Amino acid sequence: EPEVTQTPSHQVTQMGQEVILRCVPISNHLYFYWYRQILGQKVEFLVSFYNNEISEKSEIFDDQFSVERPDGSNFTLKIRSTKLEDSAMYFCASRPGLAGVGEQFFGPGTRLTVL
Amino acid sequence: AQSVTQPDIHITVSEGASLELRCNYSYGATPYLFWYVQSPGQGLQLLLKYFSGDTLVQGIKGFEAEFKRSQSSFNLRKPSVHWSDAAEYFCAVGFYGGSQGNLIFGKGTKLSVKP
Repeated sequence: EPEVTQTPSHQVTQMGQEVILRCVPISNHLYFYWYRQILGQKVEFLVSFYNNEISEKSEIFDDQFSVERPDGSNFTLKIRSTKLEDSAMYFCASRPGLAGVGEQFFGPGTRLTVL
Repeated sequence: AQSVTQPDIHITVSEGASLELRCNYSYGATPYLFWYVQSPGQGLQLLLKYFSGDTLVQGIKGFEAEFKRSQSSFNLRKPSVHWSDAAEYFCAVGFYGGSQGNLIFGKGTKLSVKP
């Protein structure tokens, strides 16, 4: 069964460093998402991506964040200058092409620790 | 603003007992609804979903949920809990006519199972 994959599973970085979190969505899906979950808190929407552009982003997704689909398979989340409060589990998700409706398939997550 | 409420932060039940986890949402539009389960250190696994039709939906692992529009609720139930059901459960809501289908999650309910 196809699944969303994410790498690395755990990333440790120093404050102020750039990190790139990688995701490979399910191959025929058209909508892509990043969510984050700070330890002990709820899962929060960061950004959605469709047709090679951001379609919606939350207040959390400020100028320090960017997303890219560089090669038609990978979907990346970049944090330019990490802060301590960026420490969280980051989930990638994808879904097929029905606009506005549909199950999102989540990856296993990348745990980001900022020291 | 759209919101999802899971009023119970932590529930403990005995193995073999029945379970009901509550979820309420706040929004006037037609929702589509999900329950996800997360084991420690793991990603989000879909238990069940409701898009339309029969308001009682069956999911994996013996779970079911009932959509009650009048109460804006989508409570998760299981008639007999197993020790392996110990995990955190998240209710998530999306809305028809929403931008690109990003989900709003509740804060989660942690389920502990007593032997």
